[in-house]
Amino acid sequence: QVQMVQSGTEVKEPGASVKVSCKASGYIFTGYYMHWVRQAPGQGLEWMGWVNPNSGDTNYAQKFQGRVTLTRDTSISTAYMELSRLRSDDSAFYYCARDRITYTSSTFDYWGQGTLVTVSS
Amino acid sequence: DIQMTQSPSTLSASVGDRVTITCRASQRISSWLAWHQQKPGKAPKLLIHKASSLKSGVPSRFSGSGSGTEFTLTISSLQPDDFATYYCQQYDTYPWTFGQGTKVEIK
Repeated sequence: QVQMVQSGTEVKEPGASVKVSCKASGYIFTGYYMHWVRQAPGQGLEWMGWVNPNSGDTNYAQKFQGRVTLTRDTSISTAYMELSRLRSDDSAFYYCARDRITYTSSTFDYWGQGTLVTVSS
Repeated sequence: DIQMTQSPSTLSASVGDRVTITCRASQRISSWLAWHQQKPGKAPKLLIHKASSLKSGVPSRFSGSGSGTEFTLTISSLQPDDFATYYCQQYDTYPWTFGQGTKVEIK
């Protein structure tokens, strides 16, 4: 069955960087774009971007351009989200979410369990 | 960015009720709209894609309709498992954007 398992809770100081992993299983990793979505506690959902695991191509929401880097390691079917220059308002759950369709970008049909990132001094 | 506006923000209903949630887009998005369900402490789950296509395995009491700028999610007979927050999401134009959510509560 399709599953994405994310890395654990992170606590970071303002100005630091965080890297969250998302290990996929149950499908061909290189066949589906991987998106990242975040959700501040008690708030709504915010799309950050996607990575094409086949080519490594990326597409970022303008809001995060210059601060977010999406990568992947096809040898271990894992996608990564790195966010730099962290601020307190980056405190949120970060989710990876698999695209619904092969080799293109659409909506997401499977989500990871989420990783809580807390930014605090 | 395309703004997605859901109404109502909160909805109180009883088991067996018919429930309708509306989502409006600030510009036309054809049928590139999805609905996701989220329960407290859990990741969202896809219910409907392309405005009206039910994801495999999702109960048939869920249905979606609309195109252009106006969309609805309907639950024909609310079940205890359906109390959750529902989000619409457009995937017509980057950045993908979500509505603010509609919380369905027990009356």
